[in-house]
Amino acid sequence: GAVVSQHPSWVICKSGTSVKIECRSLDFQATTMFWYRQFPKQSLMLMATSNEGSKATYEQGVEKDKFLINHASLTLSTLTVTSAHPEDSSFYICSARDRKSSTDTQYFGPGTRLTVL
Amino acid sequence: EDQVTQSPEALRLQEGESSSLNCSYTVSGLRGLFWYRQDPGKGPEFLFTLYSAGEEKEKERLKATLTKKESFLHITAPKPEDSATYLCAVHVNYGQNFVFGPGTRLSVLP
Repeated sequence: GAVVSQHPSWVICKSGTSVKIECRSLDFQATTMFWYRQFPKQSLMLMATSNEGSKATYEQGVEKDKFLINHASLTLSTLTVTSAHPEDSSFYICSARDRKSSTDTQYFGPGTRLTVL
Repeated sequence: EDQVTQSPEALRLQEGESSSLNCSYTVSGLRGLFWYRQDPGKGPEFLFTLYSAGEEKEKERLKATLTKKESFLHITAPKPEDSATYLCAVHVNYGQNFVFGPGTRLSVLP
């Protein structure tokens, strides 16, 4: 149980293009999903908190117009990196909380490796 | 400011050599402390949740403990497949998100 998937697992794109990453909770409903970014040999950096049916809350320093987040259903959140540039290359990981669970455990997806050329 | 630190940064053990990883935290209010395991190029895998000082959780060769200021992840007789980065995260009272520590990279040599 508590499986989270991400698609794609890796993507290579040209500078200036937009890339969409999907995060799905497969066997539970998630009112809250989180998007993280991770650089090599570093820990997870929270980018934004996504609540179903409402606007995402972005962490300080994260451009909301560049990283568009949509949480349209209880099982799907998407992150769109708009006008991607090489400095956006990173490992993006989502997590989700089970709305029916009494704990606050976040279950993580497998991550998406973005490379911008 | 809420802060989570982990030590050591990296640890190399021989197979069967037990040891402990430390997670120290300074937060305004603790709702829960979480341990995750992360393999290279993959997302973190949930291990344990601890909520109150004195609490302990066990899973196979791993045992997590919690005090008011820190948590330990004890690894008993580790195997090479235990090699990974171990992350701890603190959920504070006032928000939804976690504060992650920098992680401990564990290598278990056969």
